[in-house]
Amino acid sequence: AQSVAQPEDQVNVAEGNPLTVKCTYSVSGNPYLFWYVQYPNRGLQFLLKYITGDNLVKGSYGFEAEFNKSQTSFHLKKPSALVSDSALYFCAVRDTNTGGFKTIFGAGTRLFVKA
Amino acid sequence: DADVTQTPRNRITKTGKRIMLECSQTKGHDRMYWYRQDPGLGLRLIYYSFDVKDINKGEISDGYSVSRQAQAKFSLSLESAIPNQTALYFCATSDSSGIGTDTQYFGPGTRLTVL
Repeated sequence: AQSVAQPEDQVNVAEGNPLTVKCTYSVSGNPYLFWYVQYPNRGLQFLLKYITGDNLVKGSYGFEAEFNKSQTSFHLKKPSALVSDSALYFCAVRDTNTGGFKTIFGAGTRLFVKA
Repeated sequence: DADVTQTPRNRITKTGKRIMLECSQTKGHDRMYWYRQDPGLGLRLIYYSFDVKDINKGEISDGYSVSRQAQAKFSLSLESAIPNQTALYFCATSDSSGIGTDTQYFGPGTRLTVL
């Protein structure tokens, strides 16, 4: 069965410093991997995805994520955090081997960027 | 995302009442979903629909029902609301065509409180 884990409930970082939000997954086949962001009182917004190809994926707002198959990880990164990046971040995975469409979301990691 | 709208945005109701949450989309997507979000639990899938004639249960469908009135409309009903259905509810859509499918687009959410 597919699953996704976000081991940190909250990540705190100072503005200007690099940030990492961690995600690990478990699937039986090849994964489609996604990151979404949720700002207060808003729905989730798509940030980036990994389907195939280059392991480093670039997305919106300067975020990027690195697919690591051996470690089954897909950590979200940004070289220089902004206060406006403070939000709830969700990792999601879809197992392409099942032939289905179901996407599983992690529990979310709250990012707090301090000025 | 203004392309996916949900009504109402907030609703307070009493135990035992029937409640309907509505979702409309102008993205032309064929797939629609209903999720609930609870703190620390991420998003959990309630129901999903591949097209107008296709309705499927998600992981937590008990106590809920849905109707896909048209490709653009997908409503969620709580037949007899109970307090543990207090949550934030999201509608989402995705497009089954092309590569990298199942990138989901979310509505702004409905905050439901059952007293």
